[in-house]
Amino acid sequence: EAQVTQNPRYLITVTGKKLTVTCSQNMNHEYMSWYRQDPGLGLRQIYYSMNVEVTDKGDVPEGYKVSRKEKRNFPLILESPSPNQTSLYFCASSYTAAGGYTFGSGTRLTVV
Amino acid sequence: AQKVTQAQTEISVVEKEDVTLDCVYETRDTTYYLFWYKQPPSGELVFLIRRNSFDEQNEISGRYSWNFQKSTSSFNFTITASQVVDSAVYFCALSEGTGGSYIPTFGRGTSLIVHP
Repeated sequence: EAQVTQNPRYLITVTGKKLTVTCSQNMNHEYMSWYRQDPGLGLRQIYYSMNVEVTDKGDVPEGYKVSRKEKRNFPLILESPSPNQTSLYFCASSYTAAGGYTFGSGTRLTVV
Repeated sequence: AQKVTQAQTEISVVEKEDVTLDCVYETRDTTYYLFWYKQPPSGELVFLIRRNSFDEQNEISGRYSWNFQKSTSSFNFTITASQVVDSAVYFCALSEGTGGSYIPTFGRGTSLIVHP
């Protein structure tokens, strides 16, 4: 089944403790992106990647890192999480940059 | 300034009513793409439609239809004879090439509640 898999689905962590949210797609898509969703703000883009080793900042990149060492994986790294990063995170992928994106199921992160 | 404006935060209708969700976008590009996504209460995001800037034909898919008008920079979504299962948050998104990226920018969403 074609899908984008995010893990974990839920995560509660403490301020400052590094964490990684994994994202993997099995569709050989070149384009991948991370979004965060907050009430009243919709989805805001954090980082995106156009291919292996090619990444760029989105609208709200502060406090996040990403890497794209393999085509299928695009992990989101929070080196020192803070409470304002409590949010619902989505990973998405597409064959083309302007294609219809397939989204993962989301990761609900709470930073206390 | 928002590039994608969904002015309706929440819409409430009774089943079988028709409902239109508005989307107004802003871009200087001549080539761009517009999307609608649905997020049901379960939380996943479901792709509904993609339109490119050169194709202003309206599209109909079952009870769903989309009206793209470049003259007013709008890409509105109509659900005919709404059903309870249509209750969801609907997002409009714009994909433009400024800066070399076509990664979509989303509006803030419209929450549609369909009452039985």
